[in-house]
Amino acid sequence: DADVTQTPRNRITKTGKRIMLECSQTKGHDRMYWYRQDPGLGLRLIYYSFDVKDINKGEISDGYSVSRQAQAKFSLSLESAIPNQTALYFCATVAGPMNTEAFFGQGTRLTVV
Amino acid sequence: AQSVAQPEDQVNVAEGNPLTVKCTYSVSGNPYLFWYVQYPNRGLQFLLKYITGDNLVKGSYGFEAEFNKSQTSFHLKKPSALVSDSALYFCAVRDRGGNQFYFGTGTSLTVIP
Repeated sequence: DADVTQTPRNRITKTGKRIMLECSQTKGHDRMYWYRQDPGLGLRLIYYSFDVKDINKGEISDGYSVSRQAQAKFSLSLESAIPNQTALYFCATVAGPMNTEAFFGQGTRLTVV
Repeated sequence: AQSVAQPEDQVNVAEGNPLTVKCTYSVSGNPYLFWYVQYPNRGLQFLLKYITGDNLVKGSYGFEAEFNKSQTSFHLKKPSALVSDSALYFCAVRDRGGNQFYFGTGTSLTVIP
């Protein structure tokens, strides 16, 4: 099983609908992140969390919200989806030490029509 | 502002030839530096990192990267490219505060048989 699991892998939704993307991890890491990937723009940080009581906005948090239900679970919600939120979304986890790398999920491809 | 630049959107190289994928950064302090690879429909996979010490670091699949502090660069290299190396490559830095990763926009590498 993957260490970082994202569900769903693919989703098509309509404008205005609420959608939740889920991420769970078995690595025991405290830090979890949500990124979106767009062609030519790389990865941009949406939200990050250092524990269940700590939620922080990233550079593009508008239109998104998150929930850290447990150490292992971090969900991203689009309250009212719009077409320019069509993108590839990644969850990542990081161990505490500063010199460690991030581990990524397989991604969720979201299309808003 | 913190930033990571990958000046080439696309790099083409013949199989067996050496390859270089460029990365420069503008991050305060002495950040930690990373390279990731993304294959189609997959998440990002960690290749290598520079923390301290020798400026040439070795990583997975025969890749290595050279850190140059004066030029604030961290170029990815491989002595002999394989067709299977064709993928999207991302450079990333993590500031010493450790809160965030900053990603470049990615370089698409194509190895031509």
